[in-house]
Amino acid sequence: EAGVAQSPRYKIIEKRQSVAFWCNPISGHATLYWYQQILGQGPKLLIQFQNNGVVDDSQLPKDRFSAERLKGVDSTLKIQPAKLEDSAVYLCASSPGTRSNEQFFGPGTRLTVL
Amino acid sequence: AQSVTQLGSHVSVSEGALVLLRCNYSSSVPPYLFWYVQYPNQGLQLLLKYTSAATLVKGINGFEAEFKKSETSFHLTKPSAHMSDAAEYFCAVTYTGNQFYFGTGTSLTVIP
Repeated sequence: EAGVAQSPRYKIIEKRQSVAFWCNPISGHATLYWYQQILGQGPKLLIQFQNNGVVDDSQLPKDRFSAERLKGVDSTLKIQPAKLEDSAVYLCASSPGTRSNEQFFGPGTRLTVL
Repeated sequence: AQSVTQLGSHVSVSEGALVLLRCNYSSSVPPYLFWYVQYPNQGLQLLLKYTSAATLVKGINGFEAEFKKSETSFHLTKPSAHMSDAAEYFCAVTYTGNQFYFGTGTSLTVIP
């Protein structure tokens, strides 16, 4: 079974530029998550999708971050414009969607904002 | 707020010694609890999970954890540390299956 795929693995941009990350969850997983993991901290949920609908985006900085999951499969997370404090690893995870199910994580995208 | 607390951001043990990583949750609502491991430049991998069945949960790589409601704890243990256990460990909790809360992580160093 293929795991969660993310691209790119690394990205370096200057502040005020835009960036986009892509995630392909495990086939058949209804729930998709985007997390931000700042160095030395645990992952923080940015947004959660159930199929193509948003379940929770309460911690997403909506003035600069956006995410979509068209057709309920792949997802894209965008930052526009980026700030220095956005430097982090962005993790995508998916799960079948039931209450006790684990999340399967992708390798993450490491973003550096200069 | 409902969350988890990991005591000790860094833990060092000698190879072959007992590993004990601490996790406490804060809620009176029965939780689902998870331990994940993260190796450098990789995503998180599930070690084990508690889903209200047996309180002693066995996971991969010889790890296990015990759910203690009276202590609101879910500490991770391994009887004998191996060099390959060196990694970052995260405790996580969910009550609804929608919101997952992760601890700040514990970095485990294994000394040869």
